[in-house]
Amino acid sequence: DTGVSQDPRHKITKRGQNVTFRCDPISEHNRLYWYRQTLGQGPEFLTYFQNEAQLEKSRLLSDRFSAERPKGSFSTLEIQRTEQGDSAMYLCASSRGTGVHFGPGTRLLVL
Amino acid sequence: DQQVKQNSPSLSVQEGRISILNCDYTNSMFDYFLWYKKYPAEGPTFLISISSIKDKNEDGRFTVFLNKSAKHLSLHIVPSQPGDSAVYFCAASGDDKIIFGKGTRLHILP
Repeated sequence: DTGVSQDPRHKITKRGQNVTFRCDPISEHNRLYWYRQTLGQGPEFLTYFQNEAQLEKSRLLSDRFSAERPKGSFSTLEIQRTEQGDSAMYLCASSRGTGVHFGPGTRLLVL
Repeated sequence: DQQVKQNSPSLSVQEGRISILNCDYTNSMFDYFLWYKKYPAEGPTFLISISSIKDKNEDGRFTVFLNKSAKHLSLHIVPSQPGDSAVYFCAASGDDKIIFGKGTRLHILP
């Protein structure tokens, strides 16, 4: 296992469509985070899981966003009825303890 | 309300010299601080971290200094190398989630 993986790496969609991203964390990492990054900004926290439990959600995560981690391993982030403002890099990270390691991100472009 | 601030959007340093990247924070509950490096189209890569019980942590060419009373930390890279050119993010944690600054773009000049 070489690190956190995310799929797809790039996604272009039309406004109003639903998209789903997947994150596979480093094995045995019990915490999994989702962040969003837009141009010129640092990563912004969206939500995080401890095992399968979603412990916190940012107010950035509107009701069009939903994240799951059903078995405490991989996680999915779904955006329903995408808007142009959703265009960003979506980053997943995982940790066990204090070191937090990021995946390569999924770049979303909503046309 | 930005809890982690990197006030220099960019920094240019001559190859071989010391690069110093600065970061300020406002939340006194933060107890763990991290630095990440990011290349375009990649996720952030963890560089170095420091706990609030320490004032210095060193790893090879990278040293992080923490001044709790000033709520300030800095990352020193010495000697700077061309491959260090990237965006550097300062981050802080206090309740399991990590808050990032906006980043500083470091240019290493030949």
